[in-house]
Amino acid sequence: DGGITQSPKYLFRKEGQNVTLSCEQNLNHDAMYWYRQDPGQGLRLIYYSQIVNDFQKGDIAEGYSVSREKKESFPLTVTSAQKNPTAFYLCASSPLLFTDTQYFGPGTRLTVL
Amino acid sequence: SQKIEQNSEALNIQEGKTATLTCNYTNYSPAYLQWYRQDPGRGPVFLLLIRENEKEKRKERLKVTFDTTLKQSLFHITASQPADSATYLCALYSSASKIIFGSGTRLSIRP
Repeated sequence: DGGITQSPKYLFRKEGQNVTLSCEQNLNHDAMYWYRQDPGQGLRLIYYSQIVNDFQKGDIAEGYSVSREKKESFPLTVTSAQKNPTAFYLCASSPLLFTDTQYFGPGTRLTVL
Repeated sequence: SQKIEQNSEALNIQEGKTATLTCNYTNYSPAYLQWYRQDPGRGPVFLLLIRENEKEKRKERLKVTFDTTLKQSLFHITASQPADSATYLCALYSSASKIIFGSGTRLSIRP
C-alpha cells in the first residue's frame, strides 16, 4: 500500500458521535486526498490538500472536516452532521496535486450503528 | 451532466484470453485518464496513466488506449491469468472537475 497507513482497519461508532480517521504517509508527497467508496460505486472525493495548512473541499465535503498540520498526516473527522457515514474511506497521496499517480492506503471501514 | 461509465459491472473470461474493459465519458475534456486495480477490502493500486495527446500506452501485459473523439478508453489484459481477477477502476482528471472515478468492472478469470 505504498507507504500510506490508515488506522484503524475497522471502526464502529454510535450515531451522533464524531470520529477521526487517521492517515499517515512517509512518501514525502505534497498532496493528500480523502475518498469515500460505497458498494458498487466509484470513489468520491471528500477533501484534498496540496500542501501543509491548505486543503480544499471535494465533491462531497458536507459533514466532514480535515486538517493538514504536518506534511505526513491528513486526518479526516466524520461529524454527526454526515447523514450516511457508513462507508469505506480511502486516503491517498501523490507527489503533486492531481498531476501524478495516486498512492492509496489500505482503507478504513466505518460502520455507524 | 458529466458522466463516466465502465461498460459492465462484471466480466468473466477464460484464462489465456484477452480481457477488454471499457471506460466511456461524457461532457468532460480530460487531461489524462488512469486505470487502477482494486482487490476486495483494499485500496486501489495504480496501473497506467494516459494523457489526452497519447493514443496508446503499454506495460507488460497491459495496454490502454484513449480516444478523445469517441470519449472512450479501452483497457486490455493479454494472456489473462486467474491472478488478474479484481475490480478495475478508471479515473479521469480535468481541471474543471478534478478527479472522477468510475464504479469499476469486476473481472473474473476462470482457469
